[in-house]
Parts: sequence; structure tokens; C-alpha cells
Amino acid sequence: EAQVTQNPRYLITVTGKKLTVTCSQNMNHEYMSWYRQDPGLGLRQIYYSMNVEVTDKGDVPEGYKVSRKEKRNFPLILESPSPNQTSLYFCASSPIDRVGGYTFGSGTRLTVV
Amino acid sequence: KNEVEQSPQNLTAQEGEFITINCSYSVGISALHWLQQHPGGGIVSLFMLSSGKKKHGRLIATINIQEKHSSLHITASHPRDSAVYICAALPNTGNQFYFGTGTSLTVIP
Repeated sequence: EAQVTQNPRYLITVTGKKLTVTCSQNMNHEYMSWYRQDPGLGLRQIYYSMNVEVTDKGDVPEGYKVSRKEKRNFPLILESPSPNQTSLYFCASSPIDRVGGYTFGSGTRLTVV
Repeated sequence: KNEVEQSPQNLTAQEGEFITINCSYSVGISALHWLQQHPGGGIVSLFMLSSGKKKHGRLIATINIQEKHSSLHITASHPRDSAVYICAALPNTGNQFYFGTGTSLTVIP
């Protein structure tokens, strides 16, 4: 089954403790992206990647890092999480043209206390 | 200013009603996606449009490139259609989607 797999689904952590949210896709998609979703603000892009070793900032990259060492994986790293990073996070992937087949992961609900 | 505007923000309908959600955008685009997000959070891509009209079951999506406007219609609405519907515009230049803030639809039995 074609899918984007995010882990974990839920995470509660403390301020300053480094964490990684994993994202993996099995569709050989070139494009992968991370979003956060907050009430009243909708989906906002954090980082995206057009292919292996190619990453770029989205609208709200501060406090986040990403890497794209393999085509299938695009982890989101919070080196020093803060409470304002409490949010619902989505990973998504698509073919390079972004026109066909945009697939989202199930989401990760992160709470930073 | 948001490049993508959706209306209405909230919509309550009786089961069986015909529903329309609108999306207007201010930039030139190569494609527009309609997304559905059910309570519980998962997001599903319903349609990708670059012109004209697409239909899938009771859902119909249209786009008018000249007017920079797209609509999502639901015929014979059902309580299981209750969800947030989000439009996402892919601009001609650049690599980022512009998202609307979503329309929250509740269909009452």
C-alpha cells in the first residue's frame, strides 16, 4: 500500500530535550515536505525537499532541522523544543511536479511542556 | 495577506443538502488541490485540478483559471462528509503550496 508513515503519532516532551519525528514514504517520490497545523493558522510549511540532499526552508523553519540522506526518509529534528512548537505536524510526499498524488502522513501531535 | 482565501469558514448543513465551498487565490498557479481532514486529524488529497472539472462520487471540483477561483461541491451530503476541507494552490513559480485556512463542514442527520 502506498503510504507516508510518520512516527510517533503522539509525543509529550519537555523543553530543551532533542527529538526527532520520522517520516518515510514508499512511493519513490522526489518531493517531501513538513507542515505544522495550528488552530486558526491552517497548514504552514516548515521545510521541504526536492530530492536527496536537497532541502529548503518553508514559511516557518525556525527551531527545526531536516535531512534527506535517502529518498524515502525525511526526518524532522527539534534540537531544543520549546512550548511554542506544540502543534500537529504532517509529513507529505509527491512526485517532483507536485501535480499528481500528494500523500500525507497520519500526523504527529507534539506537546512541549 | 493570504494568497489563498476560502469561504465559508464554517458550514452546517442538513443531510441531503447540496454544499459548495469556495477557494480564491491571488497568484498564478499550475495546480490546485482540495484536501479533506477528518476529526482525528488525517489529511487526504481529494482532487488535483489544473483546469475544468473533476468528479469523484458525490464530490465535484471545478476551477476557473482566469477568475482564479475554485469550488468544491458535495451533492446529497451525508454526516460522514463532516470534515475540514482545505484548498492548496501550487504557484507557477516557487516550490511551496499556499494553503487556505480551511472550511469546517458539519452535516447534521
